Amino acid sequence: ILNVEQSPQSLHVQEGDSTNFTCSFPSSNFYALHWYRWETAKSPEALFVMTLNGDEKKKGRISATLNTKEGYSYLYIKGSQPEDSATYLCAFWGTGSARQLTFGSGTQLTVLP
Amino acid sequence: KAGVTQTPRYLIKTRGQQVTLSCSPISGHRSVSWYQQTPGQGLQFLFEYFSETQRNKGNFPGRFSGRQFSNSRSEMNVSTLELGDSALYLCASSLDNSYTDTQYFGPGTRLTVL
Repeated sequence: ILNVEQSPQSLHVQEGDSTNFTCSFPSSNFYALHWYRWETAKSPEALFVMTLNGDEKKKGRISATLNTKEGYSYLYIKGSQPEDSATYLCAFWGTGSARQLTFGSGTQLTVLP
Repeated sequence: KAGVTQTPRYLIKTRGQQVTLSCSPISGHRSVSWYQQTPGQGLQFLFEYFSETQRNKGNFPGRFSGRQFSNSRSEMNVSTLELGDSALYLCASSLDNSYTDTQYFGPGTRLTVL
């Protein structure tokens, strides 16, 4: 069983604050890391697919970095807005015997107006 | 372009019964993956189908099975239902593979086992 951990578990920030979360995953047998955003009563929405060490991806105010050698990825939100309130999930794809998608438990973000 | 659709949206079954859930991917997508979401276990990967073949499988018992048809539509079957199978079942489609392609999720099927 692979260990994919996300921290913090939950986060409350004020509108306009910038914030970041961490996803830790096994540093061996890495294939890809996915980030998803999941709003209540909606379907998960893909944010980023990251495959290369040192990858940096950006989508509007949200960006992510990847370090496969040490097994972590950061997700940043700049200038948080109430509509950013959601659970942010990372998911790790391994290779070989680790070839299944393992999700972290998510970081629940609440942005207060 | 229509999104991923899942039917039915809600389902109530009793223990011991079996259930079949359906997923229609986005047109042109060949990979379909299935996931189970429960409050206790979070989101877990069930399996992935590509070109009518199961390509990857998560850690679920053999009661959980699936198949994919030539038009990429997929079905998931759970036999001998247990209370613990109550969950939201999501499917997602991607162009060719779920590793590096963006996955698009359907609205899910909420299964309640009594």
